[in-house]
Amino acid sequence: QKEVEQNSGPLSVPEGAIASLNCTYSDRVSQSFFWYRQYSGKSPELIMSIYSNGDKEDGRFTAQLNKASQYVSLLIRDSQPSDSATYLCAVIQAGGTSYGKLTFGQGTILTVHP
Amino acid sequence: GAGVSQSPSNKVTEKGKDVELRCDPISGHTALYWYRQRLGQGLEFLIYFQGNSAPDKSGLPSDRFSAERTGESVSTLTIQRTQQEDSAVYLCASSLRTGEKLFFGSGTQLSVL
Repeated sequence: QKEVEQNSGPLSVPEGAIASLNCTYSDRVSQSFFWYRQYSGKSPELIMSIYSNGDKEDGRFTAQLNKASQYVSLLIRDSQPSDSATYLCAVIQAGGTSYGKLTFGQGTILTVHP
Repeated sequence: GAGVSQSPSNKVTEKGKDVELRCDPISGHTALYWYRQRLGQGLEFLIYFQGNSAPDKSGLPSDRFSAERTGESVSTLTIQRTQQEDSAVYLCASSLRTGEKLFFGSGTQLSVL
C-alpha cells in the first residue's frame, strides 16, 4: 500500500462548480496534513494545512480530515479556470525512525473549463 | 535570502559524470527536504534533514546518491556516475520546524545525455 494515495483523475469541472479532491494515507499516527498546488513547470505551493478532525475553511478552499478513516479531502468552491493545476496531498509521518518525513501523493490534475 | 535558492537551475551532463546540486534554505529553517520529480510524475521523496542530521535516507535511489547539510544551512545533493534515468527536476524545500509549511525552491532541471 502506498503511503499516500490520491484519486487518479484527471478531474474536469465547469467554472463555478465544486471540485472535490480525495486522499488516503497509511500511517495511522500521522498528525499533519497538507494540500499543495502545482502549476505546470512550477514548484508546489501550500494552499491548506490541517491537523485536527473536521473541516477547515480558507476562502474558497475547505480541507476535511477524518483520522479514523485515514482520509483527507479538499473542496474548491466556485472553481475558476485559474484553479487548473495539479493538487498534491502530503502527510507528515509521525512514528518510528521516519518521524518528520513528508510524503506526497501522486497528485490529481484538475481542469476547470469556462 | 528571501526564499529557498537552488543552483544550478539547469544542468546538462554526460552519462557517467558526477553532479552536485545545491540548496540554500530560508535562514533559520531547521528542516530541509529533497525530492525528485520526473516529467509528468509526482514528488518522489529522497531525503530530509533535521538540523544537520538525516533521520531518513530511505528515499535515496541507490548508493550513487548522497546528501549532506552543514551549519544547519546549505545542503548539497551529489549524484555520482549519472545515468539517463536520473534526468528529472530536483526540488529542495525547507520549513521552520518539522511538520510546518514547506517552502520550495525553483528546482534544478537535470538532463543526462
